[in-house]
Amino acid sequence: EVQLVESGGGLIQPGGSLRLSCAVSGLSVSSNYMTWVRQAPGKGLEWVSVIYSIGNTYYPDSVKGRFTISRDNSKNNLYLQMNNVRVDDTAVYYCVRRLSGYYDYWGQGTLVVVSS
Amino acid sequence: DIQMTQSPSSLSASVGDRVTITCRASHDIGNYLAWYQQKPGKVPKLLIYGASTLHSGVPSRFSGRGSGTDFTLTIISLQPEDVATYYCQRYNDALGAFGPGTKLDFK
Repeated sequence: EVQLVESGGGLIQPGGSLRLSCAVSGLSVSSNYMTWVRQAPGKGLEWVSVIYSIGNTYYPDSVKGRFTISRDNSKNNLYLQMNNVRVDDTAVYYCVRRLSGYYDYWGQGTLVVVSS
Repeated sequence: DIQMTQSPSSLSASVGDRVTITCRASHDIGNYLAWYQQKPGKVPKLLIYGASTLHSGVPSRFSGRGSGTDFTLTIISLQPEDVATYYCQRYNDALGAFGPGTKLDFK
């Protein structure tokens, strides 16, 4: 059974940093395309990062230069380092497996609130 | 960047109705289109990929059609548990952007 369990969310002030973690079981983070998708309260879904099995990473313009996706193959964990956060980064962040481009396995999400 | 739009943004229907949601891409994306269902307070679930292939375990009352720029998600004989927001997502490139969503509820 595939499980993705996010952690690390919480309340953070604008301009601060936070690292989200995703503990993955049932599939290998090193062999898959892994992503973070977020959803602001009452809003739609937004893809915020992807790491390919070969290590390439991609980001949308909204987070480029501020967010960094990474993985620890030995722990089978996925991470999202969030720097210089803004109020509009407030969202539930999901850890998701991207299979051939679409998203099939989702975690339950972790809430990040950016507020002073 | 290829933009995704969905119509309608919301709709109300009755149990047993046939419902169709449209997703449009600003440029040709082939059949690289997926649909997701997100029930209130829940995690999104994959329904369809490749524009028309039903994901494992998805009821056969759901179907997808289209290619290029115009796509549809159809639910035949709407059931109470289908109340949800439905999102399309293109995956023709690394970005994998979602549409804005269509909220479906009952009359």
